This record gives sequence, C-alpha cells and structure tokens, in this order.
Amino acid sequence: AQSVAQPEDQVNVAEGNPLTVKCTYSVSGNPYLFWYVQYPNRGLQFLLKYITGDNLVKGSYGFEAEFNKSQTSFHLKKPSALVSDSALYFCAVRKGQLTFGSGTQLTVLP
Amino acid sequence: DSGVTQTPKHLITATGQRVTLRCSPRSGDLSVYWYQQSLDQGLQFLIQYYNGEERAKGNILERFSAQQFPDLHSELNLSSLELGDSALYFCASSPLGESPETQYFGPGTRLLVL
Repeated sequence: AQSVAQPEDQVNVAEGNPLTVKCTYSVSGNPYLFWYVQYPNRGLQFLLKYITGDNLVKGSYGFEAEFNKSQTSFHLKKPSALVSDSALYFCAVRKGQLTFGSGTQLTVLP
Repeated sequence: DSGVTQTPKHLITATGQRVTLRCSPRSGDLSVYWYQQSLDQGLQFLIQYYNGEERAKGNILERFSAQQFPDLHSELNLSSLELGDSALYFCASSPLGESPETQYFGPGTRLLVL
C-alpha cells in the first residue's frame, strides 16, 4: 500500500525567508509525486509533480520540490516566501490512485 | 480556474436525506474522480469513472454511489445521510485516468448534514 506523511501540521515562516514543507512517501516501485495547494474555501490547485528525471522539479508560483530517493522524500521549497503563499499544502503519491498526506498549513508572516 | 465545475457550492440537508452532487470535467477529460475532505479523515479518494465506466473504488460507503453520463459529467449520490457525512466533496478530472497524469480539481461542494 502507498502512503504519504507530512510530519508538520503547521509551518510558520517570515516573508522573504526560504520555506520548506516536508513530505515523505512509501510506495513500491517508482513513485509519481505531486504537490497541491488549497486556499481557503477553494479547491486544490496543482503545483508540480515528479515523474522521472531531474530530482529538482520546478512548478507554479516559484515553488520547487526536491525528490530524494534514498530518503524517500519530496520536500516542497521556495527561496523567498510571500504572505500570499499562506495556504494548506498537500503532498500526494500516485500508483493507481492518488493518496494524499494530511496537509501542512503554511503561514507566512509579514 | 481548473476548468472543472461543481454544483452546488453549498448544500445543507438533514439526516436521512439524499443529495446529488454534480461535476463537469475539463473539456476533453475522460476520467472523473470523487474525493471527500473532512477534518477527521483528511482527503480521501472515493471513486473513479472513465468514459462512463467505473474504473476504481476507494473508501466509498455503500450509501454512496456515482455515475458518469455520456456527456462525461458525473454525479455523486449520497443517501441516508448521517452527521458524519458533512464534508467537502471534490471532483477532479484528467484526460485518460492513467498514472502519472495530473488531476485537476473543482472548487468543491460543501455538504452540511444537520
């Protein structure tokens, strides 16, 4: 069975500072990994995905994620956080169906 | 805007009732997925349809059912509603339904069962 863990329920970062939202996964074989963002009262928006190739994946709104096979991690990063990045972030793995982590609430403080 | 539409946006009903949630996928997408998001269960996959046929089932209760019509829109039917069914229900779509296609999500229907 596949699973995703987001160890932090809440991440706070100051505007302008780099941010990291952590994700680890468990799946047999090669993983397909995704990050989605959910703003209040909105649906999930696709940010980026890893299928194969370069371990650093670039996505929307300046976000990127680093795939690390040995650590089974797929952490979401952004070099300089904006207040508007404050939202709920979900990591997901797909092998067959999409399985989501529990979500991490990111708050960027002005 | 993902191109996936869901109606209604909000639904308030009573226990024991039945409701129908509607989803229109992105133009050209053949696969539709339904998810439930609740505080205690998180975001859970319910069911997938591909071109009118059920493709995969997740944690969907027997009181719940879905279908996809020839025009590719989908409906999720929830019956004998319980308080615990209160949640945000999302639909998503993708072109073929295969890994590793990206799924694009609609804005959701917020269901409140009183």
